[in-house]
Amino acid sequence: GQQLNQSPQSMFIQEGEDVSMNCTSSSIFNTWLWYKQEPGEGPVLLIALYKAGELTSNGRLTAQFGITRKDSFLNISASIPSDVGIYFCSISNFGNEKLTFGTGTRLTIIP
Amino acid sequence: DAGITQSPRHKVTETGTPVTLRCHQTENHRYMYWYRQDPGHGLRLIHYSYGVKDTDKGEVSDGYSVSRSKTEDFLLTLESATSSQTSVYFCAVRGTVFPNEQFFGPGTRLTVL
Repeated sequence: GQQLNQSPQSMFIQEGEDVSMNCTSSSIFNTWLWYKQEPGEGPVLLIALYKAGELTSNGRLTAQFGITRKDSFLNISASIPSDVGIYFCSISNFGNEKLTFGTGTRLTIIP
Repeated sequence: DAGITQSPRHKVTETGTPVTLRCHQTENHRYMYWYRQDPGHGLRLIHYSYGVKDTDKGEVSDGYSVSRSKTEDFLLTLESATSSQTSVYFCAVRGTVFPNEQFFGPGTRLTVL
């Protein structure tokens, strides 16, 4: 199957700091989706990317689709306590009904 | 939340017993998915359905079967549960606004003793 590497595995930051995480794949894809999962809940879609080089924002979140189509990053600016959770990247191609998920980045905010 | 419910939300069972998990959706989505989530593995696809009675395997389908007799219901069955199937199981549906987007249910935590 597709190799999808997500890093870092975990992050411990202080409130107000900026956060950056990324994913790299072994193959080219034309869809990158970023999800967030809070404790006890299912993942929720944050940002969808469909074009190489595309930069998309959702509030304090910004994600980019790498120009090689093999990577993507997610940035969170000025973190707040409700940003705590696990962030997943996922990949697919148009016409493929399935998503492949990364192993997640667990974000913890230190008081 | 795309109108997805999962039942039960928690279940403890013994090795060798059959278990069925139910996913119910109210918005007439064609595609439905079952994933399992384990530490260090993220979400892995077990089976998916692309219509009533139309299903296909995912990457971790061994030991699981599925059925979809109605658009709104997608059942996941563990014929003879094993301890390795202890996991959190998520159902998802494919959305219609963005390509490839999926919406997830709240999950079922299954413990096999």
